[in-house]
Amino acid sequence: LAKTTQPISMDSYEGQEVNITCSHNNIATNDYITWYQQFPSQGPRFIIQGYKTKVTNEVASLFIPADRKSSTLSLPRVSLSDTAVYYCLVGDQDNTDKLIFGTGTRLQVFP
Amino acid sequence: ETGVTQSPTHLIKTRGQQVTLRCSSQSGHNTVSWYQQALGQGPQFIFQYYREEENGRGNFPPRFSGLQFPNYSSELNVNALELDDSALYLCASSGDGEFYGYTFGSGTRLTVV
Repeated sequence: LAKTTQPISMDSYEGQEVNITCSHNNIATNDYITWYQQFPSQGPRFIIQGYKTKVTNEVASLFIPADRKSSTLSLPRVSLSDTAVYYCLVGDQDNTDKLIFGTGTRLQVFP
Repeated sequence: ETGVTQSPTHLIKTRGQQVTLRCSSQSGHNTVSWYQQALGQGPQFIFQYYREEENGRGNFPPRFSGLQFPNYSSELNVNALELDDSALYLCASSGDGEFYGYTFGSGTRLTVV
């Protein structure tokens, strides 16, 4: 299973764009990249998933370069409520469905 | 708003005791996974069930066991509780083919004293 590396923490201010990069050098051909958000004492919440290039939904964008050895979660115009821990995961739905979480990135948004 | 509910929300047990945690998944979700999350750490995979059969297990001892029932509910049982078992226990479910569609419950906070 691919191991991921993320920054331990990041700080931002309301209204700014936040980019969180995840390294996954050993990503396999069938692996997808998924990001989750977690608030204290709550379960993780799915944000976005991608395989290559760029994926965008109503809350975030995910940028994946051609070699797929890293990915960047982009949160546009963050607010105080975006203060949370963000996890990057890689996994292969055909091999195993279990999700392996790293330590995540703790994002703190200031007013 | 989550479709996965866990009970109880909080629990205090004494070292050596046994505990059963419960999870009710979304209807139609045949896959359920359990995770242990210590304070300040990411969730650690315990095991996964698909249609009532265990089909994946993390690095946890046999005293962690589980069951999945046909009504989309499941249990995590932990025997001989240790102080280090104190953590948030999370249940996650997904439908067939929905690799990304994992829905997590809010967890059960277990404290072992």
